[in-house]
Amino acid sequence: DADVTQTPRNRITKTGKRIMLECSQTKGHDRMYWYRQDPGLGLRLIYYSFDVKDINKGEISDGYSVSRQAQAKFSLSLESAIPNQTALYFCATSLGGGQPQHFGDGTRLSIL
Amino acid sequence: GQQLNQSPQSMFIQEGEDVSMNCTSSSIFNTWLWYKQEPGEGPVLLIALYKAGELTSNGRLTAQFGITRKDSFLNISASIPSDVGIYFCAGGPGGSQGNLIFGKGTKLSVKP
Repeated sequence: DADVTQTPRNRITKTGKRIMLECSQTKGHDRMYWYRQDPGLGLRLIYYSFDVKDINKGEISDGYSVSRQAQAKFSLSLESAIPNQTALYFCATSLGGGQPQHFGDGTRLSIL
Repeated sequence: GQQLNQSPQSMFIQEGEDVSMNCTSSSIFNTWLWYKQEPGEGPVLLIALYKAGELTSNGRLTAQFGITRKDSFLNISASIPSDVGIYFCAGGPGGSQGNLIFGKGTKLSVKP
């Protein structure tokens, strides 16, 4: 969905490095989400935000942090990357709870 | 927490065959959604269902919201090679705070 843009699309880095993944949206949605996808495990929710002042942990938030800089921007940080954080990361937005989520094209992150 | 059981995990079919996949849960959902993910892209919404018993089509795709509100199925008729991808179901719990719950996906391969 071109309305949800993730950068970078690919990143290879080393253990211990700090990494930031960025997401911006032009859909005007209040809700934004970060997911992690691993083969066979589906989409697992890391963090979500209902608006600029509201940040919530998902099911696998350990080792991650987020920042909602504006309604349109939601970034995910790995403070000290470790190899088992190698995965495909997706940002998504929605109008409200239970409403369809619209996904970016993902960031493929490899940690050596 | 709430979980969705999506089956089958993978399917290998011949072009022209019909496909059926489903999701079940022990919990009631107010919304059922079906997504398709192609390689290198994020999940894209195919069909959204908002009412128990609802049957909705999108081209060769048909999805139904189970009458018990605990299940949904997706059918693809006369499959073609471009149907290849991973199909995800998602259930939307009630209330404004609830996030979507995703199934682990069905990987579809179509042999020409």
